[in-house]
Amino acid sequence: AQRVTQPEKLLSVFKGAPVELKCNYSYSGSPELFWYVQYSRQRLQLLLRHISRESIKGFTADLNKGETSFHLKKPFAQEEDSAMYYCALVEYGNKLVFGAGTILRVKS
Amino acid sequence: NAGVTQTPKFRVLKTGQSMTLLCAQDMNHEYMYWYRQDPGMGLRLIHYSVGEGTTAKGEVPDGYNVSRLKKQNFLLGLESAAPSQTSVYFCASSSVTGGSQFFGPGTRLTVL
Repeated sequence: AQRVTQPEKLLSVFKGAPVELKCNYSYSGSPELFWYVQYSRQRLQLLLRHISRESIKGFTADLNKGETSFHLKKPFAQEEDSAMYYCALVEYGNKLVFGAGTILRVKS
Repeated sequence: NAGVTQTPKFRVLKTGQSMTLLCAQDMNHEYMYWYRQDPGMGLRLIHYSVGEGTTAKGEVPDGYNVSRLKKQNFLLGLESAAPSQTSVYFCASSSVTGGSQFFGPGTRLTVL
C-alpha cells in the first residue's frame, strides 16, 4: 500500500534559520507528490506540487526517487511560516494519501 | 466564487444520534472527497466520488455513508454516531485532470 511518512511531529526553529521538513514515501511507480499547509484556524491549501518545480513563499521541494523522499526546504524561516505541513501523494482516482503532518514553529 | 463550503462548522452529538454534513463546491469539479483529521494520523479518506451519482469507499468508511445526487454537493452521513467519530471533517474537490485538491473549512464534530 502507498504510504507517506513524516517522521517529525514538531519542528521548532528560530526565525532566520533554515527549515527542512522531511517526507518519505513508498509507491510503486512514478509518484505525484504535494505539500499542503494549514495555518491556524484556516483550511488546508496547496503549497507545492513536485511536477511544477516552483518555489512558493520561499519553499522548495525536490523529489529524490533514489531515497524516496520529498523534503520541504526553506533557507530562512519566518514567523508566518508557523503552521501544520502535510506531505501527500496521489493514488489512482486522484485520491490523496497524507502523512501524519509536521507542526512547524518558528520562534522569534 | 465561494470555492468549497461546509455546513455546519461545529456540532455536538450524543452517542447514537445521526447527522448529515453538507459539502458544496462551485468550481464544477467532478471529484469530491471526505476526509477526517485526527491528531497524529493526518487526514484519512472516508469516501469519495468521481462524478454525480457515484461514490466509493476510502480508507476509513465504516460508520459513514455518502451521497452525490448533484454534481456540486457531496453529503456525509453518520447514522449512529460513536465517540470514535469525534474528529474534524474536511471536504475537498478536484478536477478530472487531477492534481491539487481544494479543501473546505472543516466541520468540528464532537460525539459525547
